[in-house]
Amino acid sequence: GESVGLHLPTLSVQEGDNSIINCAYSNSASDYFIWYKQESGKGPQFIIDIRSNMDKRQGQRVTVLLNKTVKHLSLQIAATQPGDSAVYFCAEKREGSYIPTFGRGTSLIVHP
Amino acid sequence: NAGVTQTPKFRVLKTGQSMTLLCAQDMNHEYMYWYRQDPGMGLRLIHYSVGEGTTAKGEVPDGYNVSRLKKQNFLLGLESAAPSQTSVYFCASSLRTGWPETQYFGPGTRLLVL
Repeated sequence: GESVGLHLPTLSVQEGDNSIINCAYSNSASDYFIWYKQESGKGPQFIIDIRSNMDKRQGQRVTVLLNKTVKHLSLQIAATQPGDSAVYFCAEKREGSYIPTFGRGTSLIVHP
Repeated sequence: NAGVTQTPKFRVLKTGQSMTLLCAQDMNHEYMYWYRQDPGMGLRLIHYSVGEGTTAKGEVPDGYNVSRLKKQNFLLGLESAAPSQTSVYFCASSLRTGWPETQYFGPGTRLLVL
């Protein structure tokens, strides 16, 4: 689960390992989900998205899995690299709505 | 393409002062957004625009005003800054809303209100 207070959940992995970052979303009416990567001092960067009529979507080294039954989203990063170190957060929205809801984020630390 | 740019990068204000944050995009995007990001919290939408001349309230609009006089620019104004507005502000733009929706974010403006 998420930490209470200002500290983000943290995932530490070794370079070359696979990483799995989890996100629990709150609105069962949400039908569109996006993962972002935010490096220190920079703006968020789009990674991958998925619609609610999908269970899985793959990109380059990343896979997003969606479990609507338990309202859970995960981002899998294959062969994690030091450059993957960042805060990752998910966003949910209802298609047609302009207002996304962002999670608090998970800090990924990749050790060389 | 420069993408999304924000001016200024950092600003310190005293309580009650006013300022305008400028966002510019060169991708001909229709949709533009202003978010704030506070420690330990996700991004929260302040205001957004679905096209030139239009603006709408987001999740946390109080204390802010916006204008979109030109398609490429989206201005965020603070008329009377308060310490609670200390935050990092991000502008974003997108070509469309809904699937697929890729929002491109600027580098952020750090604002400190004393």
